Amino acid sequence: AQSVTQLGSHVSVSEGALVLLRCNYSSSVPPYLFWYVQYPNQGLQLLLKYTTGATLVKGINGFEAEFKKSETSFHLTKPSAHMSDAAEYFCAVSGFTGGFKTIFGAGTRLFVKA
Amino acid sequence: EAGVVQSPRYKIIEKKQPVAFWCNPISGHNTLYWYRQNLGQGPELLIRYENEEAVDDSQLPKDRFSAERLKGVDSTLKIQPAELGDSAVYLCASSPLAGRDEQFFGPGTRLTVL
Repeated sequence: AQSVTQLGSHVSVSEGALVLLRCNYSSSVPPYLFWYVQYPNQGLQLLLKYTTGATLVKGINGFEAEFKKSETSFHLTKPSAHMSDAAEYFCAVSGFTGGFKTIFGAGTRLFVKA
Repeated sequence: EAGVVQSPRYKIIEKKQPVAFWCNPISGHNTLYWYRQNLGQGPELLIRYENEEAVDDSQLPKDRFSAERLKGVDSTLKIQPAELGDSAVYLCASSPLAGRDEQFFGPGTRLTVL
């Protein structure tokens, strides 16, 4: 079985500050891990993904995430927050368990203060 | 490249009425997903198609929900009859293949059942 836990339903940072959104997963098979962003009244769009290889993954808009197998974590970071980063962020895990299934976390809403 | 198209964007109906949602995926994408997203939650899979075959419909409430994907391209999701608890955003997504490929999401249909 697979599951995703996003710690903190809301995160607030000041513009220019570090963004850290936490994601822990559970998977009985090697996972594929994703971060998606959702702006109001829009669908989700991919920020970055980890499949195999390098554990530090760089995505769009200056975001990156590190896959830590020992900690079963895939936290999302950005060195300096911008007002346009305010959105809902979803971590997702996918893996083959008799068929591929993608499980999404409950999401973390990021607020950016001026 | 055109994205995933969904219609309608908004739908308000009274309980016990039927409703249908339509999705046109990205050309060439074999895998199509229907998700339900409740307020403040992540997307939850209702059904996944590989071409025209429904390969995962374990979370689809089959007593009232039905779906089809004609000729492995467009898809329709139907609810009959709708209940108050069906109020949510219904998202369609597509990907080249399931698993490690990112999913491309449409803007969703916001359903309100009165």
